[in-house]
Amino acid sequence: DTEVTQTPKHLVMGMTNKKSLKCEQHMGHRAMYWYKQKAKKPPELMFVYSYEKLSINESVPSRFSPECPNSSLLNLHLHALQPEDSALYLCASSQHTSGVYNEQFFGPGTRLTVL
Amino acid sequence: GQQVMQIPQYQHVQEGEDFTTYCNSSTTLSNIQWYKQRPGGHPVFLIQLVKSGEVKKQKRLTFQFGEAKKNSSLHITATQTTDVGTYFCAGTFYGNNRLAFGKGNQVVVIP
Repeated sequence: DTEVTQTPKHLVMGMTNKKSLKCEQHMGHRAMYWYKQKAKKPPELMFVYSYEKLSINESVPSRFSPECPNSSLLNLHLHALQPEDSALYLCASSQHTSGVYNEQFFGPGTRLTVL
Repeated sequence: GQQVMQIPQYQHVQEGEDFTTYCNSSTTLSNIQWYKQRPGGHPVFLIQLVKSGEVKKQKRLTFQFGEAKKNSSLHITATQTTDVGTYFCAGTFYGNNRLAFGKGNQVVVIP
């Protein structure tokens, strides 16, 4: 299985809602990532997990809360988001974070709209 | 800072013609990767280059890594409508595990 899956595909939420994005991979990869992508822009790194531990937080606001329950799963918990947080949220995985092992496999993304 | 610059940002290419997109860094890279994102899609890994002067081919696509490991190029021959999309280069700097994405080259193919 060489696929990264993400649910839901689309999400519309109000600024007071709490929701979660889910990501799963079964490639045995030990690094998982959350990216945010705005239209016509490159993916912007948010968080990196390496061996289920948070290794990089790119100064992301606390209204985004990542979680890695096990080596195959990655969640992103959302609370009190702002309309400017509307974007495509991409999950990715790689064998490891370093060296030649960081080629990344992306999921299809969750298109988030915050009203 | 450690950035990867990509040029051009936009290209209109006649079907059947060739085109090249370039990626440059002011600092030596550990590796460079190329991704393609179709309209409405997600980035898909194409290739990774690691060695100085490395050249790799995938059918009509040729990828090069410069001798100084500071620049890279992607050359596509005989462009097809399926080549439409945004091509991102992404580099890894020594001592930094982040993948630094270029701004992308959006390619439109004219039939």
